[in-house]
Amino acid sequence: ETGVTQTPRHLVMGMTNKKSLKCEQHLGHNAMYWYKQSAKKPLELMFVYSLEERVENNSVPSRFSPECPNSSHLFLHLHTLQPEDSALYLCASSQEEGRGDAEAFFGQGTRLTVV
Amino acid sequence: GQNIDQPTEMTATEGAIVQINCTYQTSGFNGLFWYQQHAGEAPTFLSYNVLDGLEEKGRFSSFLSRSKGYSYLLLKELQMKDSASYLCAAVDSNYQLIWGAGTKLIIKP
Repeated sequence: ETGVTQTPRHLVMGMTNKKSLKCEQHLGHNAMYWYKQSAKKPLELMFVYSLEERVENNSVPSRFSPECPNSSHLFLHLHTLQPEDSALYLCASSQEEGRGDAEAFFGQGTRLTVV
Repeated sequence: GQNIDQPTEMTATEGAIVQINCTYQTSGFNGLFWYQQHAGEAPTFLSYNVLDGLEEKGRFSSFLSRSKGYSYLLLKELQMKDSASYLCAAVDSNYQLIWGAGTKLIIKP
């Protein structure tokens, strides 16, 4: 149990589908993150939220749409994805955003396959 | 540009010692993290170094040299459960994490 829970663990979707990934943390953290992890590549930061406000969007295509309704929940809405979007999507949280020593706590990820 | 280099894969024997190296080039530096990630699981925190030197935590130690842009993770008395990927990440001047691609460590009996 890492304190950060992601659902679903696995998702297969067609290119015309719309789906959402959910992340929940009960650690009392103020910052939440979405990362994309592809095989043999570095983690790619997609979005950062601090106190429910988006502070970072690293040139992510608009087919990925984040939502942070409160400091404990984070969603990633997906629509019209491409096969190259298949990857492990990791959610993480940390005490604060913008601190060098702020350890990130990760969820187990959603393994997404776009067909 | 900013970059982290670490070996793609390493193999070691149960009971032995292994050192996983990481070199970084970042704009500014605010520390370096090591995470462990078992297959299909979440990355978990191992260590954070911001000052030069060696920090020991049980069987795991992490070393940092800021002048050389270099860190290593040392694992002693290897156990089969240490088979995992080890991720190195440096914190740049904007407090962004710059990640390496990870080192897959295979432990053989």
